[in-house]
Amino acid sequence: DGGITQSPKYLFRKEGQNVTLSCEQNLNHDAMYWYRQDPGQGLRLIYYSQIVNDFQKGDIAEGYSVSREKKESFPLTVTSAQKNPTAFYLCASSRTGSSYNSPLHFGNGTRLTVT
Amino acid sequence: AQSVSQHNHHVILSEAASLELGCNYSYGGTVNLFWYVQYPGQHLQLLLKYFSGDPLVKGIKGFEAEFIKSKFSFNLRKPSVQWSDTAEYFCAVIIVFSGGYNKLIFGAGTRLAVHP
Repeated sequence: DGGITQSPKYLFRKEGQNVTLSCEQNLNHDAMYWYRQDPGQGLRLIYYSQIVNDFQKGDIAEGYSVSREKKESFPLTVTSAQKNPTAFYLCASSRTGSSYNSPLHFGNGTRLTVT
Repeated sequence: AQSVSQHNHHVILSEAASLELGCNYSYGGTVNLFWYVQYPGQHLQLLLKYFSGDPLVKGIKGFEAEFIKSKFSFNLRKPSVQWSDTAEYFCAVIIVFSGGYNKLIFGAGTRLAVHP
């Protein structure tokens, strides 16, 4: 079955520590995205990547970093600079990033709790 | 700045009632429109989409949405809801900029609870 795998499902970290969230897709999609979902705020775009070795900041990139060394992988690092990191993080992919008719496919998400 | 507004954060209905969830966006150029649904414990799924053509689009499970360009709206409707429609619904808009760059913006979501 093709899809997007996010791991782990739940992640707990102490304040001040960096943490990396995994996202892998086997859909052969060019574009990948990271969103943050907070109650009452919908999904906000953190970073996105239209092709391998390229990525752009989204609306709330401060305190986050990404890499796109392989087409199927787009890990997100939540750094200690992120002031409010506790949230539900969703990874998504689409067939292309430049075509507007490519709906997103979503992973199941990772709930990060920082104490 | 571009934005997507969903007017109702929580909606409670009885089975067989009709549903309409509002979605408005703020951008005067080319857009493409989506509704996504997230059932309890599941990941986001595409419900329906509009790119061009007939402004009334039909999606899965009896849902439909109408694009009214003059009102910048893309409201979701279902004539008769079922308990299994209990979920959170997200409106999303792709802003199409010149040069091939596009940006996907989500609304805040509407939680629908359907009582038997």
